Amino acid sequence: VIWMTQSPSLLSASTGDRVTISCRMSQGISSYLAWYQQKPGKAPELLIYAASTLQSGVPSRFSGSGSGTDFTLTISCLQSEDFATYYCQQYYSFPTFGGGTKVEIK
Amino acid sequence: EVQLVQSGAEVKKPGESLKISCKGSGYSFTSYWIGWVRQMPGKGLEWMGIIYPGDSDTRYSPSFQGQVTISADKSISTAYLQWSSLKASDTAMYYCARGVVELREWYFDLWGRGTLVTVSS
Repeated sequence: VIWMTQSPSLLSASTGDRVTISCRMSQGISSYLAWYQQKPGKAPELLIYAASTLQSGVPSRFSGSGSGTDFTLTISCLQSEDFATYYCQQYYSFPTFGGGTKVEIK
Repeated sequence: EVQLVQSGAEVKKPGESLKISCKGSGYSFTSYWIGWVRQMPGKGLEWMGIIYPGDSDTRYSPSFQGQVTISADKSISTAYLQWSSLKASDTAMYYCARGVVELREWYFDLWGRGTLVTVSS
């Protein structure tokens, strides 16, 4: 089993801020990592796959980086619609998700 | 429109059986995997298992192996998740999601809206 540590679990930010969310693996997974956004009462939506590839239709203010064990999701200029919970997911082994990061209004 | 449409919310008693569904449309249903993901109230996402409707190849998370059964009927583009004997701890939202395989495993690029299952006496 690959253990995932996602941090922080809660992030308070303001519109216009640059925010970063970290996802660390217990072993190397190359670039087999995806990021999802989930808004309250809604299904998750894919933002990024292969660690850094933006899913079609996702705004360019979202970006992903990293490989091996350390990965980052960056939102360059936080918009009101970005307040949500974000999950990383590895697919090097059978899929597992990080614990989530809730981005709330400061 | 490419979408996954899930069956409606269910309220069941402990010990009862249940089968929920996920119907794909707008794409070739037999060319993509369909996975199931659990989200318990106020908690994160857990991958349960996945099926390839083209040949019914099915894989389970070790945590859910033996606890649920995943199946599909490709003639009606529908995948299923079923329980033979529900427990209160099965109360959760269940999402189906289209799996895209890279290397050996999957990420999920299209999600259903979820089916809320409540198990209570």
